[in-house]
Formats: sequence, structure tokens, C-alpha cells
Amino acid sequence: SQKIEQNSEALNIQEGKTATLTCNYTNYSPAYLQWYRQDPGRGPVFLLLIRENEKEKRKERLKVTFDTTLKQSLFHITASQPADSATYLCALDRDDKIIFGKGTRLHILP
Amino acid sequence: DTEVTQTPKHLVMGMTNKKSLKCEQHMGHRAMYWYKQKAKKPPELMFVYSYEKLSINESVPSRFSPECPNSSLLNLHLHALQPEDSALYLCASSQVGGRDGYTFGSGTRLTVV
Repeated sequence: SQKIEQNSEALNIQEGKTATLTCNYTNYSPAYLQWYRQDPGRGPVFLLLIRENEKEKRKERLKVTFDTTLKQSLFHITASQPADSATYLCALDRDDKIIFGKGTRLHILP
Repeated sequence: DTEVTQTPKHLVMGMTNKKSLKCEQHMGHRAMYWYKQKAKKPPELMFVYSYEKLSINESVPSRFSPECPNSSLLNLHLHALQPEDSALYLCASSQVGGRDGYTFGSGTRLTVV
């Protein structure tokens, strides 16, 4: 069956360092992959989308990579700040819908 | 307008009540979605509307009844819910196919007593 796995349930990173989150998937070949941020009690907020033919995408301090051979996406936040603390969800497209991974709770420590 | 607006923000209902959740967007999106999210879990897809027609029902119990009156509005009618249906209900919209990302509302926190 198809699986989406985000490697860490929670991740603590010191302020100013780069946070790297991982999303792995199996038994599937998505055309694109998305990353969202979710704060407690709020809806997810779209951050970045990367297509299968793209290796890397950047937006300000955010960078996403997509390796279709490894079936993996990495999400990087550089120069991390306490305000970046949130749950980050990866999502893959499947049959006109997106399916979310379980998310990684990121804590940026001052 | 780049928002998806959901009302009410909070709802407490008894198991015999009938209530409705409402969602509105004015971004010109022709796909709209209902997701259910339990605490510390990812959002789970319930329904997809594409061009105002129901295109996906993820085997949701009939006590949840979606409706899409027009391209800007999405409703979720609730009847005879169970306490385990208590959750955050999220509405989202996107271009059909979703390949530019989804825009989510802030959700309705539903408690069934």
C-alpha cells in the first residue's frame, strides 16, 4: 500500500541553525509534492510545491528538494527563528486529491 | 481575496441535533474540499467537489452530507453525529487538480456531546 512517512514526530533545533525535515514515500510516484505549515488550532498554510521534474525549489529561507529515485523530499529552513516553530506537513497528489503525511513538530529553541 | 472563510469557528452539538458548517471562497477556485482532523493527526480527506459536482467521497458515513450550492460556497450538513466525530473540520479550495497548492480555512472546532 502507499505510504507517506515524515521521519521525525518532533524536532528541536537551535535558533539560527538550519532545520531539515524529511518526507519519504513508498509504492507511489507522485507528479508533485507539497509542504504546508500548521499552527495549533489553525488550518494548514501552503508553503511550497515541487514537481517531479524539478530537483529543488526555493522561497526566501525555505528550500525543498525532490529525489524521485530515493522517493524522498527534504524541506530546509535556514537561519531558523522561534517563529518557525510549528508542525510541517508534506502532501502528495493522488487521483485528484492530496494525501498528508503525519507531520513533524518543529521547535526552534531560543 | 485570498482567504477561505469557515463558520462557525466553534460548534457544540448534541447527538440528535442537525447543524451545518459553512465555507466560502472568492479566489475563483473550482475545486473545494472537506477535511477532518483529530488532535495530533494529519488532515483526512472527506469530500472533493470539482466544478460544483461531488467527485470524491472517501467512504464518509451518511450522517455527513456535503453540498456545493455554487462555485464559492461549500456546506457540510451534520445529523445524528457521534462523540467520536468531534474534530477540527477544515475546508480548502484550489484550482482543479490542486497543482498550485490548497488554501485552507481556519476550521470549525466541532464537539459532539
